[in-house]
Amino acid sequence: QKEVEQDPGPLSVPEGAIVSLNCTYSNSAFQYFMWYRQYSRKGPELLMYTYSSGNKEDGRFTAQVDKSSKYISLFIRDSQPSDSATYLCAITYNNNDMRFGAGTRLTVKP
Amino acid sequence: GAGVSQTPSNKVTEKGKYVELRCDPISGHTALYWYRQSLGQGPEFLIYFQGTGAADDSGLPNDRFFAVRPEGSVSTLKIQRTERGDSAVYLCASSSQGSGSPLHFGNGTRLTVT
Repeated sequence: QKEVEQDPGPLSVPEGAIVSLNCTYSNSAFQYFMWYRQYSRKGPELLMYTYSSGNKEDGRFTAQVDKSSKYISLFIRDSQPSDSATYLCAITYNNNDMRFGAGTRLTVKP
Repeated sequence: GAGVSQTPSNKVTEKGKYVELRCDPISGHTALYWYRQSLGQGPEFLIYFQGTGAADDSGLPNDRFFAVRPEGSVSTLKIQRTERGDSAVYLCASSSQGSGSPLHFGNGTRLTVT
């Protein structure tokens, strides 16, 4: 079993839809949770960063962490074509050994 | 510059050759990381520097891979006797403090071994 599992998709939604992206992890010792967005031929770009259970909101993006279920989610409201990218979850104990999911490829159609 | 800079952006080399990949981190960032990303996969950890020293090189796949950061800023990832399986995007990231600080990535070097 991989330490971080993420459905690779692809996921295609119409513009304006709410998008839900998810990851599960196996080790309860992980304590920092991140979502990165990666456009084609670019490096990952940090979207959300949290270290506790609960929700964190930033504009159209909401990150949710459920440590009891070892489950993290990213919600995108009012999705736009510019949101089309690969979304990577990343989980770590201390940054020195960050584990990434495989990434979910999202397409938002106008 | 404002972000992490990696050069070259693309590198094509023949099997068996030696390559060097360069990373310029964000100014003032003490922690520097190298990751490798294969097609359709998330980045995989290779090595982590805190200052000039390699604090964790447990992700380097074998002794053909080596990285240095002699002055605590620019880092070079070196691959000897390249193999076709080394083809991937090599990503560099830096952070301000290390533990608990988010990583900022460069756009990577796309290495193709023919």
